[in-house]
Amino acid sequence: NAGVTQTPKFQVLKTGQSMTLQCAQDMNHEYMSWYRQDPGMGLRLIHYSVGAGITDQGEVPNGYNVSRSTTEDFPLRLLSAAPSQTSVYFCASRFQGYTEAFFGQGTRLTVV
Amino acid sequence: ELKVEQNPLFLSMQEGKNYTIYCNYSTTSDRLYWYRQDPGKSLESLFVLLSNGAVKQEGRLMASLDTKARLSTLHITAAVHDLSATYFCAVTYSGGGADGLTFGKGTHLIIQP
Repeated sequence: NAGVTQTPKFQVLKTGQSMTLQCAQDMNHEYMSWYRQDPGMGLRLIHYSVGAGITDQGEVPNGYNVSRSTTEDFPLRLLSAAPSQTSVYFCASRFQGYTEAFFGQGTRLTVV
Repeated sequence: ELKVEQNPLFLSMQEGKNYTIYCNYSTTSDRLYWYRQDPGKSLESLFVLLSNGAVKQEGRLMASLDTKARLSTLHITAAVHDLSATYFCAVTYSGGGADGLTFGKGTHLIIQP
């Protein structure tokens, strides 16, 4: 049981490049979400999904796309990377209801 | 808009002392979480608080929730160095099919011998 797995752990992009951050969970959780963590800002919600085929925007969705074709996977796509997207990205998942969210190990992204 | 405020944001304390971290939130929420984060690491769940008056304890940490005051506290008893970390509270509003957590900015806790 691996929990929530994020890949890659580190990535450097040039401005304008695109990439996909991967997130997979093996706990059969319905709910998944993406956050970014910046110094002094806490974590901010980017997008979330309450089930396969259902996604919605969080607090800071601009510049990011998501899709949820399976229960297990919830990739985050950066369409055209900008230096402002330099951050640590966390994926989380949980069961429906009053349950805790489990977080992946994070992806540290630098855009130059 | 749901807002979460933690204080203090930085706390340096000595081993053996007691202290409390406060978490205020702006609108009704049905769940409140406390997480711990060590430098360069992921978030570890500490407590989930669901109802008014809820109190949970694990070791030297105790969390409580007052939904009427929209306030949660994380109390540290007889602090030890191993509790040095950043602590986050987070709340969620699941009405209308929404999900996701709104976090406070975190309390960076340093416990010195």
